Amino acid sequence: NAGVMQNPRHLVRRRGQEARLRCSPMKGHSHVYWYRQLPEEGLKFMVYLQKENIIDESGMPKERFSAEFPKEGPSILRIQQVVRGDSAAYFCASSPRGPKEKLFFGSGTQLSVL
Amino acid sequence: DAKTTQPNSMESNEEEPVHLPCNHSTISGTDYIHWYRQLPSQGPEYVIHGLTSNVNNRMASLAIAEDRKSSTLILHRATLRDAAVYYCILSLSIQGAQKLVFGQGTRLTINP
Repeated sequence: NAGVMQNPRHLVRRRGQEARLRCSPMKGHSHVYWYRQLPEEGLKFMVYLQKENIIDESGMPKERFSAEFPKEGPSILRIQQVVRGDSAAYFCASSPRGPKEKLFFGSGTQLSVL
Repeated sequence: DAKTTQPNSMESNEEEPVHLPCNHSTISGTDYIHWYRQLPSQGPEYVIHGLTSNVNNRMASLAIAEDRKSSTLILHRATLRDAAVYYCILSLSIQGAQKLVFGQGTRLTINP
């Protein structure tokens, strides 16, 4: 049973470009969470999704950021018109049933904006 | 949001027990206490979680104070591979959803 898969592992973008980060949850998991970690800081919650639904997006910046978890395929975190401040490690986690279940994290995508 | 307070760093020796404290004085009755750890360049890894009673698993033990305002993660016999940042987290149940709010954590150094 493969763990949470995130790709790419490293992503380099120039200012103004779009970044697409993908997350495949563990088999049988229907709950996905995205977190962002700035250098030398803790993880910040961004969004919590179930299949085809955004449950809690209180940590998502109001502009340029969006997330989806379609019925088929991976969850996608999309950042439009990236800026240098978006450079961070983005982690995805999944759980089988949601609340009170432990989360399984992926290895993250390191986004660097030039 | 209920918050946790942890020491920024701790140091211990290999093969000795380690007690990592966490204060959460504003915890509510339905908040679970979770511990995760993060090794360098990796995603967080679940360690243990509990509600009221002490909990044990193969990785660690969790001792929860009777008033639930504090807890302690216990690594019974530290190894070099236990060197990581340890996060004490309260899970917030909001309309059925869960959100883990990570703090700064405790950076644990293990001396050989």
